[in-house]
Amino acid sequence: GNSVTQMEGPVTLSEEAFLTINCTYTATGYPSLFWYVQYPGEGLQLLLKATKADDKGSNKGFEATYRKETTSFHLEKGSVQVSDSAVYFCALSGNDSGYSTLTFGKGTMLLVSP
Amino acid sequence: EPEVTQTPSHQVTQMGQEVILRCVPISNHLYFYWYRQILGQKVEFLVSFYNNEISEKSEIFDDQFSVERPDGSNFTLKIRSTKLEDSAMYFCASSESLAPSQETQYFGPGTRLLVL
Repeated sequence: GNSVTQMEGPVTLSEEAFLTINCTYTATGYPSLFWYVQYPGEGLQLLLKATKADDKGSNKGFEATYRKETTSFHLEKGSVQVSDSAVYFCALSGNDSGYSTLTFGKGTMLLVSP
Repeated sequence: EPEVTQTPSHQVTQMGQEVILRCVPISNHLYFYWYRQILGQKVEFLVSFYNNEISEKSEIFDDQFSVERPDGSNFTLKIRSTKLEDSAMYFCASSESLAPSQETQYFGPGTRLLVL
């Protein structure tokens, strides 16, 4: 079945540092890949997505490239801000039935200090 | 910007009681979902719903759970007899109808359920 593996957190960075959160996946077929973000006390918000191999999703300075050869979708940002502190979830959609069930990773907490 | 809403934001109930969690999906969306997140664990898929019937459900979604779209706007999750292990954050999501495996699912803010 489908699965998503994310790096363990928390990730602690100083403001303006470079961020990488690793995500690898196992899936049948050709899934779409997503990063969702959960700010404290809030629900899940879509951050970015990529629907096919070599696509790059980007939003708010974050980006991730769909790498089929390494089954990865690592999240990167060149310069993090305190306001980026949140939990980040990697997810994939699609299964043998073709429905858009989302499979999530465990989430990675990011803490950015001034 | 349209958004998914959920009520209540928090619910505390006694074991064995029935609870109904409510969601209002984005108005032009046709696919609806429930997920849950037990504290400290992954977000897990429960059920998807389209055209007034369940499209897919996970092993978690047993006979104690049911979903309904009672009118043109609400989408509900009912737990008939709650157990301690049902304590979790429950998220509703919706997406547009075309090419479902590529469509973005938009999530509500969640209902935190605590079963005592």
